[in-house]
Amino acid sequence: DGGITQSPKYLFRKEGQNVTLSCEQNLNHDAMYWYRQDPGQGLRLIYYSQIVNDFQKGDIAEGYSVSREKKESFPLTVTSAQKNPTAFYLCASSNREWEQYFGPGTRLTVT
Amino acid sequence: QKEVEQNSGPLSVPEGAIASLNCTYSDRGSQSFFWYRQYSGKSPELIMFIYSNGDKEDGRFTAQLNKASQYVSLLIRDSQPSDSATYLCAVNSGGYQKVTFGTGTKLQVIP
Repeated sequence: DGGITQSPKYLFRKEGQNVTLSCEQNLNHDAMYWYRQDPGQGLRLIYYSQIVNDFQKGDIAEGYSVSREKKESFPLTVTSAQKNPTAFYLCASSNREWEQYFGPGTRLTVT
Repeated sequence: QKEVEQNSGPLSVPEGAIASLNCTYSDRGSQSFFWYRQYSGKSPELIMFIYSNGDKEDGRFTAQLNKASQYVSLLIRDSQPSDSATYLCAVNSGGYQKVTFGTGTKLQVIP
C-alpha cells in the first residue's frame, strides 16, 4: 500500500532534549513537508523540501532542523531551542498538482 | 499576508440534510483549492480538490469555486453522523511552499 508513515505516534521528552521525528513515504512524491498543529489552530509550515538534498524554511522554522538524504525520507529534529515544542506534528508529501497527503502524525509532549 | 478564512463553527445539521461549508481567500493569484477532513485527534485527509471555476462532484461531496468572488465551498449531501469532523480549506497560490490552510470548520451531524 502506498502512503506516508510517521513514527512514533506519541513521544514524550524532557525539556532541553533534542528529539527526531520520522517521516517516510512510498508515493514517489518529490515534495515533502512538515507542519505543526496546535489546538484550535490551523496548520503552520515548518520546513519543506522539493527535492533530495534541498529544503527550505517555512513560516516557523526556528528551533527545528531537517534533512532530505533520500526521496522517501524527511526527518524533523525538534531542538532544545524550540520554545514551545509540545504540539501535533504532521508530515505530508505532494505531487506536482500540489495535492498534499498527510501521515498519521506524531504527538509530542515536552515537560 | 495571504489568508484563508473559515467560520470555526460548530455547524450543526440534522442527519440527511445538506451541509454547506464556506471558505474565502485573499490571494487573487490562487490556483488550486483543496478540502480536507480531519477527525478529532487524527491527521487531515484530502477529500476534494478543484482547479477551475464551477462545480466538481464526487459522490456526496461537491466543491464549488468562484474565483471572481474568491470563494470556495464544500457541500455534503445526505449528511451522516460519520461526517462529523473539522473541514480544512487549503489554497495554493503557486509553488510548493505556497499552500495556506484555514483553521477549519467543525461540522456536527445530529442523528
